[in-house]
Amino acid sequence: EAAVTQSPRNKVAVTGGKVTLSCNQTNNHNNMYWYRQDTGHGLRLIHYSYGAGSTEKGDIPDGYKASRPSQENFSLILELATPSQTSVYFCASGVDRGAGNTLYFGEGSRLIVV
Amino acid sequence: GDKVKQSPSALSLQEGTNSALRCNFSIAATTVQWFLQNPRGSLINLFYLVPGTKENGRLKSAFDSKESYSTLHIRDAQLEDSGTYFCAANTGYQNFYFGKGTSLTVIP
Repeated sequence: EAAVTQSPRNKVAVTGGKVTLSCNQTNNHNNMYWYRQDTGHGLRLIHYSYGAGSTEKGDIPDGYKASRPSQENFSLILELATPSQTSVYFCASGVDRGAGNTLYFGEGSRLIVV
Repeated sequence: GDKVKQSPSALSLQEGTNSALRCNFSIAATTVQWFLQNPRGSLINLFYLVPGTKENGRLKSAFDSKESYSTLHIRDAQLEDSGTYFCAANTGYQNFYFGKGTSLTVIP
């Protein structure tokens, strides 16, 4: 089972401040993802990565940047946090198993922007 | 419209009874995953499916790519089965399409 670790698990940030959510995976998966989960919207893809040095926009990238400095680490950066970014953020790693990709989620990071 | 429709949206089960959850797809899914989000918020992998069926203890899941649906059967429901069940379809590329979830409450 893939091990995906997120930090911090809980964060309160002020509007306009910078927030970095970190994710580390130990199973050597090429693919990593950042999702946010909100009531009524389910899980929505923010950014993803195919490997070290790559970042790709997901469905809702506005207001977010991503960084993949190594195979193991994938960060989500909110340069200017806004209250609308209050949410639970999930990182996932993934591997192509031939017929399709699979996801393994971290425990989630709860962000409140005040 | 939604590419993955889950039903029912909510369900209450008496402990020890059986039920089935369903996902219908309007995309050409090649694989499906089922997750349980427990009351603590963790997303737990239940099944990864290519077309066919898998069984794990009291859970059984099926995926029919031609008819574009997947089911998750829960047998002899227990209190610890409570939570929200999500299906996610993959089309062979990076994007996963999630259903909105089925909230299951198991009642003693």
